Amino acid sequence: AQSVTQLDSQVPVFEEAPVELRCNYSSSVSVYLFWYVQYPNQGLQLLLKYLSGSTLVKGINGFEAEFNKSQTSFHLRKPSVHISDTAEYFCAVKGFQKLVFGTGTRLLVSP
Amino acid sequence: DAGVTQSPTHLIKTRGQQVTLRCSPKSGHDTVSWYQQALGQGPQFIFQYYEEEERQRGNFPDRFSGHQFPNYSSELNVNALLLGDSALYLCASSPVDNEQFFGPGTRLTVL
Repeated sequence: AQSVTQLDSQVPVFEEAPVELRCNYSSSVSVYLFWYVQYPNQGLQLLLKYLSGSTLVKGINGFEAEFNKSQTSFHLRKPSVHISDTAEYFCAVKGFQKLVFGTGTRLLVSP
Repeated sequence: DAGVTQSPTHLIKTRGQQVTLRCSPKSGHDTVSWYQQALGQGPQFIFQYYEEEERQRGNFPDRFSGHQFPNYSSELNVNALLLGDSALYLCASSPVDNEQFFGPGTRLTVL
């Protein structure tokens, strides 16, 4: 079975500072990993995905993530955040025909 | 090209009532998945429909049922509503076994 652990429920950061949102996964099959963002009162938008190949994945809005098989991690990073990045971020692993999500990390960017 | 659409946006019901939520997939997508997102939690997989059949089901009671129509649109039905059914219900569409695109969700409140 697949599972995802997001270690931080909330991450406060100042504007233009770097940020890392942590995600660890467990999977007994081939690993496909995703990061989604959810703005208030909206659905989920895909930030980036890892299916195979390069372990450094670049996504939209300047985000990137690194797949680390030995540490079973898929941490999300951005070198300089904006106020508009304030949102809920979900890490997910693809199970059999479904996505298994973590509990989310709220990113709070303040001026 | 319209993305995934869901209706209604918001819904208020009382305990014991029944509710139907609707989803129209993105053009060219034939697979629809439904997720329940309780407040402060990550989305939980309810079930997935492909070729008008339920292909896989998550850990939800039989009160949750669905349907997929020949045009690939889908409905989620919940009978005998409980307070705990209050949540954001997300629909996701995809080409079979491919990346899922999410709709904006339907916010269900059970009083």
